[in-house]
Amino acid sequence: QSVLTQPPSASGTPGQRVTISCSGSSSNIGSDYVHWYQHLPGTAPKLHIYRNNQRPSGVPDRFSGSKSGTSASLAISGLRAEDEADYYCAAWDDSLSGWVFGGGTKLTVL
Amino acid sequence: QVQLQQSGPGLVKPSQTLSLTCAISGDSVSSNSAAWNWIRQSPSRGLEWLGRTYYRSKWYNDYAVSVKSRITINPDTSKNQFSLQLKSVTPEDTAVYYCAAGSAGYMDVWGKGTTVTVSS
Repeated sequence: QSVLTQPPSASGTPGQRVTISCSGSSSNIGSDYVHWYQHLPGTAPKLHIYRNNQRPSGVPDRFSGSKSGTSASLAISGLRAEDEADYYCAAWDDSLSGWVFGGGTKLTVL
Repeated sequence: QVQLQQSGPGLVKPSQTLSLTCAISGDSVSSNSAAWNWIRQSPSRGLEWLGRTYYRSKWYNDYAVSVKSRITINPDTSKNQFSLQLKSVTPEDTAVYYCAAGSAGYMDVWGKGTTVTVSS
């Protein structure tokens, strides 16, 4: 059971906007940044959002992040087939003195 | 640009020690701003952070509670790399193991992953 809670699945059609939520607590999301990773089978996780809402270079601006209190969300607008992947949220947990991840959300592009 | 190259066996027998190495290029393991992590991924557990080592005038380690009694992460300054040792493995430790690094408070560089199977 993961410390951060994500829905196991999400889906949308090409061009749609989808949102993936991530819920935590005061010791992780409530007190530190949230980061989001895209994970494709057979590859290393790729950072897509850092410090709640910042995009690394090379990540399309269709991806955006937000945080409020102890929850965060990743939004993908103009959904494309290539966005189909697993998405994980991550945050540092002050109580555990370690990184914690969400259980992952499998995004399907219908 | 930092790159990480993983190495180590893909098969480990139950009760033995899993050992992996992550070689660093583009940065120093002794960097005063970087942290060097190990993470694993399995279908049952998703992504699980295992621990990290970092240098801030002296060496520090942080380990996940779930593996704290079995894990050691060591830097090797002579080879500019860091290693993972996980003792007394069971089939539950079967996973893809990644090394990852970051210098700004998050992990933005990852190794390609090593599939480790625990089986006799």
